[in-house]
Amino acid sequence: AQSVTQLDSHVSVSEGTPVLLRCNYSSSYSPSLFWYVQHPNKGLQLLLKYTSAATLVKGINGFEAEFKKSETSFHLTKPSAHMSDAAEYFCVSNAGNMLTFGGGTRLMVKP
Amino acid sequence: DAGVIQSPRHEVTEMGQEVTLRCKPISGHDYLFWYRQTMMRGLELLIYFNNNVPIDDSGMPEDRFSAKMPNASFSTLKIQPSEPRDSAVYFCASSLVRGQQFFGPGTRLTVL
Repeated sequence: AQSVTQLDSHVSVSEGTPVLLRCNYSSSYSPSLFWYVQHPNKGLQLLLKYTSAATLVKGINGFEAEFKKSETSFHLTKPSAHMSDAAEYFCVSNAGNMLTFGGGTRLMVKP
Repeated sequence: DAGVIQSPRHEVTEMGQEVTLRCKPISGHDYLFWYRQTMMRGLELLIYFNNNVPIDDSGMPEDRFSAKMPNASFSTLKIQPSEPRDSAVYFCASSLVRGQQFFGPGTRLTVL
């Protein structure tokens, strides 16, 4: 069985400072892992995905994530937050065609 | 491609009424998924189809909910009769085999 845990339900950063959104997964095998972003009143948009190629994955809008098997982690980072990054972020695991969602992390960006 | 299309975008109805949500997946995708998102429960998978056939409906909350996929380009999620606790955002997503799921913009349902 899969599970995905997002360690922080809310993260607040100042504009221009680094962003770290934490995610741990558990799976009986190496899953595909994704980060999705959801802006208010919008659908989910894919930021990036890991599918067992490079462990450091670059996504859109300057985000990247590193797959660490030894830590069963897939944390999302960005060097410098922008006001437009304020949204909810979901870490997602995929086994077969079934997605398992983390609980979400709401990112707030202060001016 | 226009992406996954959902209609309506917003629906307000009264308790006891029938509600039908519609989804058009991305052309060529084999899989279609219906999700529900609420503050309390987050994102939940309700049901998914493969080649128009329902594969897993274990997430459907109760018999008031039903979903159909009469052809590869159209699916409906019906709630009859609707209740206030059904208020949520309902998302449709589609994918190729073992591929990335593409989400529609969602339908925000409010049952008064």
